[in-house]
Amino acid sequence: GAGVSQSPRYKVAKRGQDVALRCDPISGHVSLFWYQQALGQGPEFLTYFQNEAQLDKSGLPSDRFFAERPEGSVSTLKIQRTQQEDSAVYLCASSSPRLATDEQFFGPGTRLTVL
Amino acid sequence: LAKTTQPISMDSYEGQEVNITCSHNNIATNDYITWYQQFPSQGPRFIIQGYKTKVTNEVASLFIPADRKSSTLSLPRVSLSDTAVYYCLVGGPNAGNNRKLIWGLGTSLGVNP
Repeated sequence: GAGVSQSPRYKVAKRGQDVALRCDPISGHVSLFWYQQALGQGPEFLTYFQNEAQLDKSGLPSDRFFAERPEGSVSTLKIQRTQQEDSAVYLCASSSPRLATDEQFFGPGTRLTVL
Repeated sequence: LAKTTQPISMDSYEGQEVNITCSHNNIATNDYITWYQQFPSQGPRFIIQGYKTKVTNEVASLFIPADRKSSTLSLPRVSLSDTAVYYCLVGGPNAGNNRKLIWGLGTSLGVNP
């Protein structure tokens, strides 16, 4: 696995359903980020992990959003009782402090559509 | 955190040099300037990062004046495949500080044949 992978790539949910979005970061990357990107907008920060520790969750829009990274590798973003305004692309990125730059490596995203 | 301002859109033709300027008047002393490229239905991709003067890699050049209140991304001899959205970001020098980067709307570059 050369890059960050996300699954599913597309998700359609009925309003009120719970969804879980998965991110597989680059092996060995300590830092993991989740972003939300609405159509025509730039990515907006949701939350940040360093290994298994969630160091910043200030961007999560409500308590319906929950993220975890229990073993410091794979991460899951869960959205409970989805609403139409949750429709967006959810991007995951990882990075390593050992790189010369703080380049973030992004996955392809999961496009969530809430009907 | 420093906010950036860049043109919403630009148009160019194949083979031309494209310069996208970003303003960041409130840049902090330890902030770096980073540019990302995003194609439709893909995640952003890192292009270049710099602190001052000029940085060049195999893809682009980044020009930063002495006051660091702006920067210019230069793409030499663009092709149709360079059609994308380009984001200018300003923030801290390590991964932890990246979490608070403000992405903005970016610059939508259209390259015509």
